Amino acid sequence: QQQVKQSPQSLIVQKGGISIINCAYENTAFDYFPWYQQFPGKGPALLIAIRPDVSEKKEGRFTISFNKSAKQFSLHIMDSQPGDSATYFCAASMREYGNKLVFGAGTILRVKS
Amino acid sequence: KAGVTQTPRYLIKTRGQQVTLSCSPISGHRSVSWYQQTPGQGLQFLFEYFSETQRNKGNFPGRFSGRQFSNSRSEMNVSTLELGDSALYLCASRTGTSSVENTEAFFGQGTRLTVV
Repeated sequence: QQQVKQSPQSLIVQKGGISIINCAYENTAFDYFPWYQQFPGKGPALLIAIRPDVSEKKEGRFTISFNKSAKQFSLHIMDSQPGDSATYFCAASMREYGNKLVFGAGTILRVKS
Repeated sequence: KAGVTQTPRYLIKTRGQQVTLSCSPISGHRSVSWYQQTPGQGLQFLFEYFSETQRNKGNFPGRFSGRQFSNSRSEMNVSTLELGDSALYLCASRTGTSSVENTEAFFGQGTRLTVV
């Protein structure tokens, strides 16, 4: 019940295209959903985060869509660029368990120029 | 503003040895969490410290321990190292509060531990 399932495992997108990564969770007590971007040899960097009272949040080219009833959330990267090539992780946490982040397995994104 | 600093960046240890990793959080941040990242298990939560107290703990054996100092710097220790402990160990820093509100977590670059 504490798992977060992420798909796809890997993704290849043409430059200028839209990258879409999906995550699903079971535990409705989760109340915070961040996305992280990780480059090789670096730690994860927070991209954007959402709470369940909002259905969509946009920051620049990055958008989170949140479907509370389906218990799913997704990351959309508009106008994908080669520099976006990285591993993306969704995560979830809940107040009941403090700030423990439960991560998805990650998606390796490659943007072809 | 300096980010999260982890030292050392790389470590090679022998099975059975112990190791100590260090994390300096962002100035003003009082919460430090540790995560283990491996290709097989992904990112897994180890523990969180706030104001020198362990506030939360993941499902790792007792060989994994940590502490936090009064300046919020944190160390984690792994005793009796096993080959399976080879991983990237990440530290995350948050402002933290006395309540358990969720706030943004900022990660360091990690310490790459190799056990041989």
